[in-house]
Amino acid sequence: DSGVTQTPKHLITATGQRVTLRCSPRSGDLSVYWYQQSLDQGLQFLIHYYNGEERAKGNILERFSAQQFPDLHSELNLSSLELGDSALYFCASSAGDGYGYTFGSGTRLTVV
Amino acid sequence: GESVGLHLPTLSVQEGDNSIINCAYSNSASDYFIWYKQESGKGPQFIIDIRSNMDKRQGQRVTVLLNKTVKHLSLQIAATQPGDSAVYFCAENTRTGNQFYFGTGTSLTVIP
Repeated sequence: DSGVTQTPKHLITATGQRVTLRCSPRSGDLSVYWYQQSLDQGLQFLIHYYNGEERAKGNILERFSAQQFPDLHSELNLSSLELGDSALYFCASSAGDGYGYTFGSGTRLTVV
Repeated sequence: GESVGLHLPTLSVQEGDNSIINCAYSNSASDYFIWYKQESGKGPQFIIDIRSNMDKRQGQRVTVLLNKTVKHLSLQIAATQPGDSAVYFCAENTRTGNQFYFGTGTSLTVIP
C-alpha cells in the first residue's frame, strides 16, 4: 500500500457520459498530480494541485477538469467521454517541490 | 511538453545477469530524475532518484548514472531476478512546478 488511494479501481461507461475519479493523497502530502496512461503509452501529465490550488496544467482536454478539496483529496472529472479516453488514470502525491511522487494503483476507465 | 525517450522498448535478460536500461532526455535544465518500476496492474513505484549535481547514485542492487553532457540516464540492475520483470520509466523534472515528464518505458523480461 503506497498510501495514495484511488477509487474506483475499475470503471466501465458509455460514450458521452461523465465520470468522477477520486484520489486521496498520502498523509501529509499537499500536492496531487493526475496522469493518464493509454495502452503502450507512457504517463501523460494532466494537472497538478497544491494545497487546493491549481498549480499547472499539462495535456488535459477541455472536457476534463479537476479540483482539490480542503481535506486535500482530489477529483478528476471526465465528461462527454469518447472511446479514446479509455486508459489508466493515476494519481500521485508528493510532499512538495523537489520531492518524488508516490503513485496510487490507478483507475482503469473503459469507455464503450 | 518535455521529451524523455528510451533507447530500447524491450529488454530480455537471463536471471542473475546485470541489466542496463537507458534513457535520453532533451531538456538541459532538468535537474532531478527518477526511475520508476511498474508491474502489471499496479501504479509506478519509485526505485531510485538522482539530482543533477551527481553523476552516480547507488541503491540496493540498483545504480543510476547521469551524463549531463549527452543528456543520458541509465539504470543498472545487478543480479536481475524474476521479480524485476516490469516496465521501467525514467522521469525528468525541470523545476517548473515539480511536474515530472515520463518516457514511454522499457519492458524488462527476466528469463529464469
